[in-house]
Amino acid sequence: GAVVSQHPSRVICKSGTSVKIECRSLDFQATTMFWYRQFPKQSLMLMATSNEGSKATYEQGVEKDKFLINHASLTLSTLTVTSAHPEDSSFYICSADGTSSGRGPDTQYFGPGTRLTVL
Amino acid sequence: SQKIEQNSEALNIQEGKTATLTCNYTNYSPAYLQWYRQDPGRGPVFLLLIRENEKEKRKERLKVTFDTTLKQSLFHITASQPADSATYLCALGADKLIFGTGTRLQVFP
Repeated sequence: GAVVSQHPSRVICKSGTSVKIECRSLDFQATTMFWYRQFPKQSLMLMATSNEGSKATYEQGVEKDKFLINHASLTLSTLTVTSAHPEDSSFYICSADGTSSGRGPDTQYFGPGTRLTVL
Repeated sequence: SQKIEQNSEALNIQEGKTATLTCNYTNYSPAYLQWYRQDPGRGPVFLLLIRENEKEKRKERLKVTFDTTLKQSLFHITASQPADSATYLCALGADKLIFGTGTRLQVFP
């Protein structure tokens, strides 16, 4: 299947610092990518929709100034957690819309996730 | 508000048996319903998508049903194997997905 990578896989940072997470579609172009957050024993919650060449669309309750999203190319979207705090510690997962992958419509391909721990 | 419920937090079955997982939803009429597998510390892996006009879909040992009247989907794994042990998530929608909390399946020898 289509491959989506995330980097880094895990990161530990001090409170107040910023962390950038990269999401790449390795073998297909994705005009749309999604960012999710998953707390322990909870389901994935959509944070924002990232569209190449335009501003991201954030879900209700997600601070756009805190979670900066940049979808600079058809294969790369980045999420920057600014001024991170311990409550931002979570598992962040991206996905890419597979419609243009040729592997079938209406499916999303997920990255392996990034474990963020803010001390 | 939209709500998705998946049956029980954990399901334990013996190898070779059929595992049946349930996904119920309210306040939503999705055109699509999807099932994903998630292993600990990993992102979800797409398994099957079923459309509202489809009653059933199969893929190898997997079968999904979609009853839009009952607002329910059933996910079956036949001839289950220990390697099938994972958390299974149902999700509504096509682009903006709404996920259930998942059912953790444990298949023991």
